[in-house]
Amino acid sequence: SQQGEEDPQALSIQEGENATMNCSYKTSINNLQWYRQNSGRGLVHLILIRSNEREKHSGRLRVTLDTSKKSSSLLITASRAADTASYFCATEEGEFGQGTRLTINP
Amino acid sequence: NAGVTQTPKFQVLKTGQSMTLQCAQDMNHEYMSWYRQDPGMGLRLIHYSVGAGITDQGEVPNGYNVSRSTTEDFPLRLLSAAPSQTSVYFCASSYSKTRGVNYGYTFGSGTRLTVV
Repeated sequence: SQQGEEDPQALSIQEGENATMNCSYKTSINNLQWYRQNSGRGLVHLILIRSNEREKHSGRLRVTLDTSKKSSSLLITASRAADTASYFCATEEGEFGQGTRLTINP
Repeated sequence: NAGVTQTPKFQVLKTGQSMTLQCAQDMNHEYMSWYRQDPGMGLRLIHYSVGAGITDQGEVPNGYNVSRSTTEDFPLRLLSAAPSQTSVYFCASSYSKTRGVNYGYTFGSGTRLTVV
């Protein structure tokens, strides 16, 4: 079963806009992780947020976590064409969602 | 530092054939795992290992075997390939002795397998 479920499944925006992806999970967690997958490549770890954190930043990435709602969001600000990829959330148990496919249009 | 190395990158098998997908990591990670990725299905865990000599089943283990004789290597064996096993397979590792706690996963670049 998939613990992390991303929403939306696909997102297409213009370069320079912000992109927001959401993730819901089912069980208690110690941390939630976000990954990026470029087409035909493996997943790359982006950011990890612990259960006692509400928000975390890394460059143009901002992740929030609401453990009461069992949900997280990933915000990419000032998007670039190179951000085109699929984004996945995952619990520390290694359970991944189906991902959000993000397309940045020039 | 190579990270997680998977071989081969591509493979075509006939139904009923067997083969081994190789995975090696050079980061001294305790935890290693195998996933398959199918369109619209996300990543599904096949097998995992929390250390040398210890393996366990994930969500979709049927038709696959694993072993962990060393910390570095975690091969995945397809016993008798079926078209339903056509997929992209990823190996992942993590430093922690428990699944992914604190550090996250490092993935290989994948093996694209087609069974005809």
